[in-house]
Amino acid sequence: EAGVTQFPSHSVIEKGQTVTLRCDPISGHDNLYWYRRVMGKEIKFLLHFVKESKQDESGMPNNRFLAERTGGTYSTLKVQPAELEDSGVYFCASSLRGNNEQFFGPGTRLTVL
Amino acid sequence: DQQVKQNSPSLSVQEGRISILNCDYTNSMFDYFLWYKKYPAEGPTFLISISSIKDKNEDGRFTVFLNKSAKHLSLHIVPSQPGDSAVYFCAANPFAGNNRKLIWGLGTSLAVNP
Repeated sequence: EAGVTQFPSHSVIEKGQTVTLRCDPISGHDNLYWYRRVMGKEIKFLLHFVKESKQDESGMPNNRFLAERTGGTYSTLKVQPAELEDSGVYFCASSLRGNNEQFFGPGTRLTVL
Repeated sequence: DQQVKQNSPSLSVQEGRISILNCDYTNSMFDYFLWYKKYPAEGPTFLISISSIKDKNEDGRFTVFLNKSAKHLSLHIVPSQPGDSAVYFCAANPFAGNNRKLIWGLGTSLAVNP
C-alpha cells in the first residue's frame, strides 16, 4: 500500500511569488492534516480536513495560506504571496477516521529568498 | 508557550544499553500521547502510543511510561541498536472529538554508538 506522498520535495522561490504544495494521503483515509516545521522550532499544526471539509484551520498563520481538498482525496496548500518567514518543512499526514495514529509524508522543504 | 517539552536536545548511549527519552506536558486535558521517530529528509514515523487511562504500554523493545500526576512520560528502548539513531518526537492529542491534531515537542536526537 502506498504511503502519504508530497510534491514537490523541495521548492525555492522568491518573496512575493506563489507556491502550491500537494499531498496525496493514503487511500481511504478521511483525515488529512497539514503541519509545518520552521527551523529550530517544533512541528506545528496548520489544519485538518475530514474528507473535503475543513474541520479545524486554527493553525493557519494568515490569509496568505489557502488549503483545499476537492473531492476528499488529495490536498493542496497554496502560499500567496510568499514571505521569508514561510520557509520551513511542510508535512502532510493522514489517518483513518477516529484513529490516533497519523501517517506522515516526507515533507516539502520550502525556501523563500 | 510550549505545551509539550522535551528538555534534552540530544542523548548518546552505547549499543545494547537502555535509552530513556523524556517528555513533559503542561495541559492536563491531553488524553493521548504518541512517540514518533524521524530520520533526516523523511517524515515522522509512528513508534508507540499510550492513552491517558494507562500508565504503561510495551511493544517489543519500546516501552512508554506515563505519570499523569507529574505530567511526564518517557520512552524506554532496550536494548538500543545503532539503527535506533534518529530524532524522537513526543506528541500529544488534545481531547477534541475526531480532531486528532498533534501538539509536538522539539525532539531529542538519539545517537546509539556501536
